Amino acid sequence: SQKIEQNSEALNIQEGKTATLTCNYTNYSPAYLQWYRQDPGRGPVFLLLIRENEKEKRKERLKVTFDTTLKQSLFHITASQPADSATYLCALRGNNDMRFGAGTRLTVKP
Amino acid sequence: EAEVAQSPRYKITEKSQAVAFWCDPISGHATLYWYRQILGQGPELLVQFQDESVVDDSQLPKDRFSAERLKGVDSTLKIQPAELGDSAMYLCASSLGTSGTGYEQYFGPGTRLTVT
Repeated sequence: SQKIEQNSEALNIQEGKTATLTCNYTNYSPAYLQWYRQDPGRGPVFLLLIRENEKEKRKERLKVTFDTTLKQSLFHITASQPADSATYLCALRGNNDMRFGAGTRLTVKP
Repeated sequence: EAEVAQSPRYKITEKSQAVAFWCDPISGHATLYWYRQILGQGPELLVQFQDESVVDDSQLPKDRFSAERLKGVDSTLKIQPAELGDSAMYLCASSLGTSGTGYEQYFGPGTRLTVT
């Protein structure tokens, strides 16, 4: 069956460090993968999209990698700040729709 | 900046009652999605519209859920009758194109449904 797994429910890091979040998938051949940020009680907000023929994408302090051989995407936040604390969701296209992982809750401590 | 509007923001209803949610997507967005999100889980797609047509409703419990987008603009999701297990956040999203084209989705604030 198709699965999307994001690393541990919660990740705690110190301000200034790099946060690395993992998204693994099985039985998908996604054309692209997206990352979203979700704050409590609010809808997800789009951050980055990376296509299957791209290895890496960057946007300000954010970096996403996509390894279709390992079936894995890594999401990095460099120089993390307490304001980066949120749940981060990966999403990829299944057969006909977008499927989301359960998310990783990131807490950045000052 | 344009936003997806949803109402109501919160809804408490008793089981076996009917409930309806409304969504107004960003102007010009042809694709509209309804998701259900249970606490601690990712959004689960219920139905996807392309203009007024249903593209995917394979995960929609059709015995009790219905969705429409009559004029290809705003949309309504209905549950009748509501069950305790329907308690969740219902999210609406819109995008310029379909998920097959990789367009980002813009989400509304959601409707928090509690069924008692």
